[in-house]
Amino acid sequence: GIQVEQSPPDLILQEGANSTLRCNFSDSVNNLQWFHQNPWGQLINLFYIPSGTKQNGRLSATTVATERYSLLYISSSQTTDSGVYFCAVVTDNYGQNFVFGPGTRLSVLP
Amino acid sequence: DTEVTQTPKHLVMGMTNKKSLKCEQHMGHRAMYWYKQKAKKPPELMFVYSYEKLSINESVPSRFSPECPNSSLLNLHLHALQPEDSALYLCASSHVMRARNSPLHFGNGTRLTVT
Repeated sequence: GIQVEQSPPDLILQEGANSTLRCNFSDSVNNLQWFHQNPWGQLINLFYIPSGTKQNGRLSATTVATERYSLLYISSSQTTDSGVYFCAVVTDNYGQNFVFGPGTRLSVLP
Repeated sequence: DTEVTQTPKHLVMGMTNKKSLKCEQHMGHRAMYWYKQKAKKPPELMFVYSYEKLSINESVPSRFSPECPNSSLLNLHLHALQPEDSALYLCASSHVMRARNSPLHFGNGTRLTVT
């Protein structure tokens, strides 16, 4: 099956700093989604981005499907950005078999 | 606020108990999912229902029994669980579209402890 890797595994930032999280995948995908899991376990949709670039406030994401990677940018980080960031890819034609990467654990310090 | 509602939020059960987890969505989605997440690990797919029919079963032990009574509801019946089944159980939903799906929307999860 498809392999999904994320880097770095852990990241500690000072509030206000910028960061880039990376998701690599081993095969063609039909779709890709980024999630933020907060310390209470809630998984929040960030981006649904099979290709191209999207922006939402301080966050933006770019997926280069032909090169099998996606990047999540966080600018001017805040303590509420802490948590785990997952990318998940879809390989089947009906878009139901989401495979999650191992996640990047982000801690933003005040 | 999540549009996928899971109950209960927390559940403690013994190994001989029978319990059920419930999930409800009103977004008109016709695909519903159960995921299991252990501490410090990513969510792992258990089951997918598409148009109320089981479409994916990721070789889950029979002590977990899913049920989709209608397009808005998804249950997970639990029986004779083991302590290692303790985890966060997440429900999700999405549209069903060939080749290009819609994003997954997750509920807040049920934190299950098996004693």
